[in-house]
Amino acid sequence: GQQLNQSPQSMFIQEGEDVSMNCTSSSIFNTWLWYKQEPGEGPVLLIALYKAGELTSNGRLTAQFGITRKDSFLNISASIPSDVGIYFCAGPHQQQGAQKLVFGQGTRLTINP
Amino acid sequence: DAGVTQSPTHLIKTRGQQVTLRCSPKSGHDTVSWYQQALGQGPQFIFQYYEEEERQRGNFPDRFSGHQFPNYSSELNVNALLLGDSALYLCASSLSYNTGDYYGYTFGSGTRLTVV
Repeated sequence: GQQLNQSPQSMFIQEGEDVSMNCTSSSIFNTWLWYKQEPGEGPVLLIALYKAGELTSNGRLTAQFGITRKDSFLNISASIPSDVGIYFCAGPHQQQGAQKLVFGQGTRLTINP
Repeated sequence: DAGVTQSPTHLIKTRGQQVTLRCSPKSGHDTVSWYQQALGQGPQFIFQYYEEEERQRGNFPDRFSGHQFPNYSSELNVNALLLGDSALYLCASSLSYNTGDYYGYTFGSGTRLTVV
């Protein structure tokens, strides 16, 4: 089945540093989604990308939809303590009239103040 | 406006037992999807319910079953629990005719199931 691979699996950075993470797939996705999950909560959508090559920002977050449609990147600039959490990429998969989300395994971000 | 509500928040069960988890969708949503998130992994799709019927199923055994009620709320049932069923179970609700609205696809905080 479809599988998304995220890297790195974890990051330990200093407050104020920039962060980059990526997600690759063995198959094409027509939409890429980036979620953040904090302890005790469900994933929350940060950015949705709908077109190959698209670059979209949400505050200090910027995500790009790779032109091959098999990868995506998320950057966080000037990290702050509230950026701590697990970041997931996801792609929707339509089948039998229903839609499911396929998730990567996540990148855990830890910030040292 | 209440979001997705899941109950209970935590649960401990013994191997072989059965468990029922509950989900109330966000107001106005008619579709409920269930995901299993093992420790250190991303969520894995279990199944989706719409109009009280299962529309799509992920790679999970028949021990996992569900139900949707006329008020759109949903239950996830797991029979003959295994240690490997220990996970965070997430419910997500959405609106059936708005499948492109991913910002409207809302997750609950989950039920943490521990099987001992």
